[in-house]
Amino acid sequence: QQQVKQSPQSLIVQKGGISIINCAYENTAFDYFPWYQQFPGKGPALLIAIRPDVSEKKEGRFTISFNKSAKQFSLHIMDSQPGDSATYFCAASKGGGGADGLTFGKGTHLIIQP
Amino acid sequence: KAGVTQTPRYLIKTRGQQVTLSCSPISGHRSVSWYQQTPGQGLQFLFEYFSETQRNKGNFPGRFSGRQFSNSRSEMNVSTLELGDSALYLCASSIGRSEAFFGQGTRLTVV
Repeated sequence: QQQVKQSPQSLIVQKGGISIINCAYENTAFDYFPWYQQFPGKGPALLIAIRPDVSEKKEGRFTISFNKSAKQFSLHIMDSQPGDSATYFCAASKGGGGADGLTFGKGTHLIIQP
Repeated sequence: KAGVTQTPRYLIKTRGQQVTLSCSPISGHRSVSWYQQTPGQGLQFLFEYFSETQRNKGNFPGRFSGRQFSNSRSEMNVSTLELGDSALYLCASSIGRSEAFFGQGTRLTVV
């Protein structure tokens, strides 16, 4: 049973455009929703995270939008750059934070074309 | 400040053997979690240790085990290796419920 569904599987965006990745979850007990970025040969790195008491969080060019009633959250990357080309994972957990018990989406392979 | 260190980086083992992977967390981090990453199943949670105690466990068979030492370093062990155990094994550490930091992983190949 896949508890966190992520789409699209792959995404190509032109430099300067907006990259949008969506995730949906099933378990209403989840209370922590991070996004991770992974480059080849590296471990995932935390980009930005949100908790269900807010509907949006912005850090630089990265924004998480959260819809608790629809059980969906999304990552928006504004002014996408070639250096943003990586695999992005959404995740969810009941722990309120940290790396304990994270359920990950399958990942989105993002390519930013110059 | 040193990051999460995993050793070895690469490992090749034969079916039926056992393997031990090591993880040194960031200094001061007492929570260590382990994940398995494969192309088919993605990232899956194995277990989490805090102060030498396993606090949480994912849905993996008993062949997968771990432990944590008093200095917070952690090891995971896989016994009776199967071809399907070939994966990137990732370790992550954190202070409580704060940001988690992942290591670069150990690439295990079972032949």
